[in-house]
Amino acid sequence: EAQVTQNPRYLITVTGKKLTVTCSQNMNHEYMSWYRQDPGLGLRQIYYSMNVEVTDKGDVPEGYKVSRKEKRNFPLILESPSPNQTSLYFCASNRLGLNEQFFGPGTRLTVL
Amino acid sequence: GIQVEQSPPDLILQEGANSTLRCNFSDSVNNLQWFHQNPWGQLINLFYIPSGTKQNGRLSATTVATERYSLLYISSSQTTDSGVYFCAVASAGGTSYGKLTFGQGTILTVHP
Repeated sequence: EAQVTQNPRYLITVTGKKLTVTCSQNMNHEYMSWYRQDPGLGLRQIYYSMNVEVTDKGDVPEGYKVSRKEKRNFPLILESPSPNQTSLYFCASNRLGLNEQFFGPGTRLTVL
Repeated sequence: GIQVEQSPPDLILQEGANSTLRCNFSDSVNNLQWFHQNPWGQLINLFYIPSGTKQNGRLSATTVATERYSLLYISSSQTTDSGVYFCAVASAGGTSYGKLTFGQGTILTVHP
């Protein structure tokens, strides 16, 4: 089944404790991105990647890192999480030239 | 950047009723997608429709790209249709390749 997977789906952590949210797609898509969803602010793009080793900032990149060492994986790294990063996070992917994006199931993160 | 406006913000229906959701956008797009966010927070792809008309069961969508709007029709609504409906677009111009800009959503509640 073609899909985007994220792990973990739910995470409660404390300020300053480094964490990684994994994202993987099995559709051989070149383009991958991360969004966060917050009440009143909607969904906003954090980072995106157009292919292996090619990443760039979206609208709200502060406090996040990403890497794209393999085509299928695009992990989101929070080196020192803070409470304002409490949010619902989505990973998405699509094939370059075909714009329909497919979203993962979401990761609900709480930073205490 | 591109602006996306959805209307109405809230919609309450009785089961079996029909409804139309609207999405206006401010610039040319090369991607327009409709999503349903279920109560568990998952974003479900409904339509990829940068132009034209599509139908999938009780749902259909029309995008008139030249007039910069899209409509989502829900017929014979069911309680399981409840949730938030998002329109998201990617601008045809600019440097933010592939970034989806989301509207604020329409909250649909269907009562039995």
